Amino acid sequence: GAGVSQTPSNKVTEKGKYVELRCDPISGHTALYWYRQSLGQGPEFLIYFQGTGAADDSGLPNDRFFAVRPEGSVSTLKIQRTERGDSAVYLCASSPDRNTYNEQFFGPGTRLTVL
Amino acid sequence: DAKTTQPPSMDCAEGRAANLPCNHSTISGNEYVYWYRQIHSQGPQYIIHGLKNNETNEMASLIITEDRKSSTLILPHATLRDTAVYYCIVRGYTGTASKLTFGTGTRLQVTL
Repeated sequence: GAGVSQTPSNKVTEKGKYVELRCDPISGHTALYWYRQSLGQGPEFLIYFQGTGAADDSGLPNDRFFAVRPEGSVSTLKIQRTERGDSAVYLCASSPDRNTYNEQFFGPGTRLTVL
Repeated sequence: DAKTTQPPSMDCAEGRAANLPCNHSTISGNEYVYWYRQIHSQGPQYIIHGLKNNETNEMASLIITEDRKSSTLILPHATLRDTAVYYCIVRGYTGTASKLTFGTGTRLQVTL
């Protein structure tokens, strides 16, 4: 079946601009996660949704970052006033239900470059 | 969640077993050991997890020491497609889904 998809696959923007990154989770998965990965590092947690609500947003680095999941499926990560340090691969993952033992299924990521 | 320590890189000849170690000396009783891998330019992929018993699936085996302070992921017959970064993650049980805390992992290079 279809996996997690993310669009765009690549995004180049200028410093100070606003960007939106989209994640389509696996159908029926209630949990959705955003991570970001800098070069040579492991993924770093940003935010986790259970259904429509953000259950844990402790990883968002500052108030320029915001994410929504209005209907409990597709999610959008929004970054305002982008900075060069925001350049990274942004990964989305989903998992089936509340059971913490369930594996997370990752998408291919969106590579964001801020010039 | 407990911190993990892994060697930064390892090499393995194709067809041989790859044994990837992980230290998690501060693991607590309700924390599981998870392994994920990330092939170049892809998202991480779940491999296996366990609590205290050894586990095996179609991808790998997980051996956890009796004191649970370390574990080894075994790929029994490594192929070139197993070249990837392997992450050992310790994750507590919270009753709900929760984040994964990745370290820098072990870069496994499988060679001919």
